[in-house]
Amino acid sequence: DTAVSQTPKYLVTQMGNDKSIKCEQNLGHDTMYWYKQDSKKFLKIMFSYNNKELIINETVPNRFSPKSPDKAHLNLHINSLELGDSAVYFCASAVGGPPDTQYFGPGTRLTVL
Amino acid sequence: AQSVTQLDSQVPVFEEAPVELRCNYSSSVSVYLFWYVQYPNQGLQLLLKYLSGSTLVKGINGFEAEFNKSQTSFHLRKPSVHISDTAEYFCAVGGGATNKLIFGTGTLLAVQP
Repeated sequence: DTAVSQTPKYLVTQMGNDKSIKCEQNLGHDTMYWYKQDSKKFLKIMFSYNNKELIINETVPNRFSPKSPDKAHLNLHINSLELGDSAVYFCASAVGGPPDTQYFGPGTRLTVL
Repeated sequence: AQSVTQLDSQVPVFEEAPVELRCNYSSSVSVYLFWYVQYPNQGLQLLLKYLSGSTLVKGINGFEAEFNKSQTSFHLRKPSVHISDTAEYFCAVGGGATNKLIFGTGTLLAVQP
């Protein structure tokens, strides 16, 4: 069983479209995260939820909206996609606060044309 | 504020040779340090972590790292590398109330036969 799964694995879309990426974890963790990895492999935190409550909201355009329907799921919705949104998006989960290890999903490669 | 510096963007090494990947950090709060590995087109996998206690930390796949508080370093080492160790290696610092990870820019370990 996959611990942290993401769908889709690849997403190719046109500028201006709206898309969603889904993340699910079956580890029973309370905290989930979204990270963005750019073309230079740099990883940066975007959002974090703890028990469906938003606890981290970095400087991210408000076109990005995370949604956590329950503590096992954290989805990422992106409106009005731009070329610069092309990246690999990783979901992660952890039991709770520091210093718990974060477990990462396989990533979703988003390409905006 | 926390930050991580990985000075080497790429480290070429021959198979069975030793390797050291360098990581320096800065943090104003309790420090938890991690090394993650990313194989091509995959998510991140935890190699090892330092939370407290012994400064020499052993991880998976024969890797180890040493926490040096005076030099604010957490270098990763392996005495003999294999072709299969070819991957991107990320150092990260965590801690603080939200447990967000701050990643370095990554080091590509390129093992040659």
